[in-house]
Amino acid sequence: AQKITQTQPGMFVQEKEAVTLDCTYDTSDPSYGLFWYKQPSSGEMIFLIYQGSYDQQNATEGRYSLNFQKARKSANLVISASQLGDSAMYFCAMRVDNNDMRFGAGTRLTVKP
Amino acid sequence: GAGVSQSPSNKVTEKGKDVELRCDPISGHTALYWYRQRLGQGLEFLIYFQGNSAPDKSGLPSDRFSAERTGESVSTLTIQRTQQEDSAVYLCASSYGALAGNEQFFGPGTRLTVL
Repeated sequence: AQKITQTQPGMFVQEKEAVTLDCTYDTSDPSYGLFWYKQPSSGEMIFLIYQGSYDQQNATEGRYSLNFQKARKSANLVISASQLGDSAMYFCAMRVDNNDMRFGAGTRLTVKP
Repeated sequence: GAGVSQSPSNKVTEKGKDVELRCDPISGHTALYWYRQRLGQGLEFLIYFQGNSAPDKSGLPSDRFSAERTGESVSTLTIQRTQQEDSAVYLCASSYGALAGNEQFFGPGTRLTVL
């Protein structure tokens, strides 16, 4: 069975600093995808970044990067140069082929001015 | 093109009534997913469709919940005899396929309130 764990219910970061949101996963399937979504207070789910299990390099998308450590089964999200608009819930998710996506419990990030 | 749409955006109902929630996926997306999100909590998987078949119904919380999908198009989630604990936002998502790398695109959700 797939399992996603986010152990940080809430995180604070000073504006313009970097922050790391933790995510660990568990699956016996060798082929899987890891996703991060942002959910602001408006409730929409916004896709941020994707990492495939066979990808050799860590994924990056603008200020977002994914620190993928396969042996440790972790897929932490790093947000650089935090902005006030980054304040939101962040969800880590995992998917294996022909299956649904499973989400972690989420981390609420608050960016302080 | 249009994204995933859901209707209604808000639904208030009385305990014991039945409700139907609708999801229109992105055209061409074969996979469709329903999630429930209670206030301040994460996403709880309900059911997943590949085409109009549902390989995984394991997340449906009780037999009061059912879902169907017409072809590779609209899906409806039906909750019978609603209870107050059913109050939540119900999110629908679709993806082009069901492979590990296929991103899910989410609709805006239906906020259900059971009085």
